[in-house]
Amino acid sequence: EVKLQQSGDELVRPGASVKMSCKASGYTFTDYAMHWVKQSPGQGLEWIGTIIPLIDTTSYNQKFKGKATLTADKSSNTAYMELSRLTSEDSAVYYCASSYIYWDVMDAWGQGASVTVSS
Amino acid sequence: DIVMTQSPTSMSISVGDRVTMNCKASQNVGSNVDWYQQKTGQSPKLLIYKASNRYTGVPDRFTGSGSGTDFTFTISNMQAEDLAVYYCMQSNSYPFTFGSGTKLEIK
Repeated sequence: EVKLQQSGDELVRPGASVKMSCKASGYTFTDYAMHWVKQSPGQGLEWIGTIIPLIDTTSYNQKFKGKATLTADKSSNTAYMELSRLTSEDSAVYYCASSYIYWDVMDAWGQGASVTVSS
Repeated sequence: DIVMTQSPTSMSISVGDRVTMNCKASQNVGSNVDWYQQKTGQSPKLLIYKASNRYTGVPDRFTGSGSGTDFTFTISNMQAEDLAVYYCMQSNSYPFTFGSGTKLEIK
């Protein structure tokens, strides 16, 4: 069974950074890409970017360049997303989702991690 | 960026109804459109991929169709457990973009 286990909810100060994780199990980590998606309170879904761990390649939504940094650790089957210089606009639920590297269909999703930016 | 215009924004429906929603892409995306269901407090769940393919385990009352710029998602026999927000998403080119969602509510 494919499972994506995300790290816990975070409360962070404005201007700080946060790094969240997404641990994959049940499949070969390097056969898949990992996407990250943002859902602001009461809003829709925004694609942040993707990382292909096999070749350590990233693609970002221009809107999130400089805000999000995607990395992956093949030894632990874990993907990471770091968000920097946080503001209230970054308060949201963030999901990781995996797709087979040859077809870009996000068929498994993590449970989501809430980030609240507040002083 | 490709804009996915989804309609309607919400629908009031009854159990047993046939439900149809649409997504229009701002440019040709081929068949690279997926449909997701998101229930309150849950992660999105893939229902239809590549416009018309039902994902593993998805009931056959869910169907998708279309290509190019116009896509349709249908629930043939609405069930209470289908109450959710449904999103289309294009994966033809980066950045992937979602429609704004269609919320199904009980009449």
